[in-house]
Amino acid sequence: EPEVTQTPSHQVTQMGQEVILRCVPISNHLYFYWYRQILGQKVEFLVSFYNNEISEKSEIFDDQFSVERPDGSNFTLKIRSTKLEDSAMYFCASSPRLGVEKLFFGSGTQLSVL
Amino acid sequence: ILNVEQSPQSLHVQEGDSTNFTCSFPSSNFYALHWYRWETAKSPEALFVMTLNGDEKKKGRISATLNTKEGYSYLYIKGSQPEDSATYLCAFGDNQGGKLIFGQGTELSVKP
Repeated sequence: EPEVTQTPSHQVTQMGQEVILRCVPISNHLYFYWYRQILGQKVEFLVSFYNNEISEKSEIFDDQFSVERPDGSNFTLKIRSTKLEDSAMYFCASSPRLGVEKLFFGSGTQLSVL
Repeated sequence: ILNVEQSPQSLHVQEGDSTNFTCSFPSSNFYALHWYRWETAKSPEALFVMTLNGDEKKKGRISATLNTKEGYSYLYIKGSQPEDSATYLCAFGDNQGGKLIFGQGTELSVKP
């Protein structure tokens, strides 16, 4: 069964460093998302992406964050200058359509900022 | 601020017990209610997406109901098995986009 894959599964970085989290959505899906879960908190929406542009973003998704679909298969989340509070599990998700459609999630990247 | 609440936070049952948990969400601007099952170290997996008031969905021993007027959904598991142990997340959508507001989850542990 097709699945969303994320790499790496764990990433440790120093505060102030840039990180890129990578995702390969399901191949025929058109809508892509990033969510994150800080330990002990709720899963929270970061950004949605369609047709090579951001559709919607949350207040969390400030200028330090960016997303890109560089080659038609990968979908990346970049954090330019990481902060301690960026430590979280980051989930990529995709869906084939908008509307009443379930999201297909990857297994996440655990980002630890030291 | 849109808020989704789930209860209980955790639940410990014996194999064979039936159980249910609750998701409360805003009753205004409702578009869809999602349920996901999330096992440790795996991807959250969709169980149901519901949109209509009074909707009931079933998948094997798991079923869900939806009341959009009062803003709640119940998830039922009949005859719990150890493999049902997971965190069950509900998520509220207020438009057709993929932005979902998640509850904190109910962590279910089923003992053999």
